[in-house]
Amino acid sequence: GAVVSQHPSRVICKSGTSVKIECRSLDFQATTMFWYRQFPKQSLMLMATSNEGSKATYEQGVEKDKFLINHASLTLSTLTVTSAHPEDSSFYICSASPGGQPTTDTQYFGPGTRLTVL
Amino acid sequence: LAKTTQPISMDSYEGQEVNITCSHNNIATNDYITWYQQFPSQGPRFIIQGYKTKVTNEVASLFIPADRKSSTLSLPRVSLSDTAVYYCLVVLGGFKTIFGAGTRLFVKA
Repeated sequence: GAVVSQHPSRVICKSGTSVKIECRSLDFQATTMFWYRQFPKQSLMLMATSNEGSKATYEQGVEKDKFLINHASLTLSTLTVTSAHPEDSSFYICSASPGGQPTTDTQYFGPGTRLTVL
Repeated sequence: LAKTTQPISMDSYEGQEVNITCSHNNIATNDYITWYQQFPSQGPRFIIQGYKTKVTNEVASLFIPADRKSSTLSLPRVSLSDTAVYYCLVVLGGFKTIFGAGTRLFVKA
């Protein structure tokens, strides 16, 4: 199946700093990628839809100025958590589907990034 | 977006067949039904996908009735390593999807 990678796998930062997380589709192109956040013992919560060449679409309640998304190419989307605080500590996961929209191809998920803000 | 409902948790023993049913009453014509498995601190892993009737692969079977308002994931002869959270998603590839709570499967020796 298709492979989606994330970097870093885990990061620890001080409160007030910014952290960038990369999501790459390794063997396919993805015009659309999705970012999720998952707290312990909870399900994945969709944060935003990342669109190549255009602005991301954020879900209700997600601050676009705090979670900056850049979809620079058909294989790379980045999520930057700006001025991180301890409540931003979470597991961040991205996903992508091969092909355009719509497609019968399934979504493939990255391995996730564990962010801990001290 | 179609909403899914699954049992919160299930227990089983090694070697047994496990069936997890998901309801998705407002599934759209173009939606596919996809099941994922997630272990702690890992991203969801694709298990199986189907549109209607029955689909089988090397790890699971997926049963979908004619009205497509529900689906059942069948895991044959589970092992301890199958302990995980299983998510049923109704998706149209390339479009956003919303995760339900998932089903926590605990396999006991």
